[in-house]
Amino acid sequence: GNSVTQMEGPVTLSEEAFLTINCTYTATGYPSLFWYVQYPGEGLQLLLKATKADDKGSNKGFEATYRKETTSFHLEKGSVQVSDSAVYFCALIPLTGGGNKLTFGTGTQLKVEL
Amino acid sequence: DGGITQSPKYLFRKEGQNVTLSCEQNLNHDAMYWYRQDPGQGLRLIYYSQIVNDFQKGDIAEGYSVSREKKESFPLTVTSAQKNPTAFYLCATSGTGKGQPQHFGDGTRLSIL
Repeated sequence: GNSVTQMEGPVTLSEEAFLTINCTYTATGYPSLFWYVQYPGEGLQLLLKATKADDKGSNKGFEATYRKETTSFHLEKGSVQVSDSAVYFCALIPLTGGGNKLTFGTGTQLKVEL
Repeated sequence: DGGITQSPKYLFRKEGQNVTLSCEQNLNHDAMYWYRQDPGQGLRLIYYSQIVNDFQKGDIAEGYSVSREKKESFPLTVTSAQKNPTAFYLCATSGTGKGQPQHFGDGTRLSIL
């Protein structure tokens, strides 16, 4: 079946540090890949997406590259801010079957300190 | 997302009582979804609907029911059969083109009195 594995949190960084949150997936073919962000007490917001191999999704300084050879979609940001503190979810939609049902990772909490 | 409205934001249920959570959208999306989120955990799919008057069970449908009488609306009822209903409930919508991302409402937090 389809699955998404994210690094365990919480991840604690100082402001302006470099961020990497690892995400790997298992799926047949070429799924669409997503990163969502959830701020405390809110719903999920789509952060970025990629739909084919070597695509790079980017938004608000965050980037992730679809790597078919390593089945990965790691989230990166060059300089984090306190306002980036949130939970980040990696997710996929498989190429075939199941409509557009998302398979989520368990989420990684990011804490950014001054 | 501004186009998806969940209400109420907080809801309290007494033992043995059914409650209904509202989800309304103006994004003209065909597909709608309900998720449950427990503290420190990911999201689990309860029910989804890809078209009006049709819906399918997700991974944890027991103790829940839904209806899809209108494209804009996908209410979720948490029945008394759901023994552990305290959670954060999220509604989402998407287009039906393959790979279309889901967009989420702000959620309803349900607690047991």
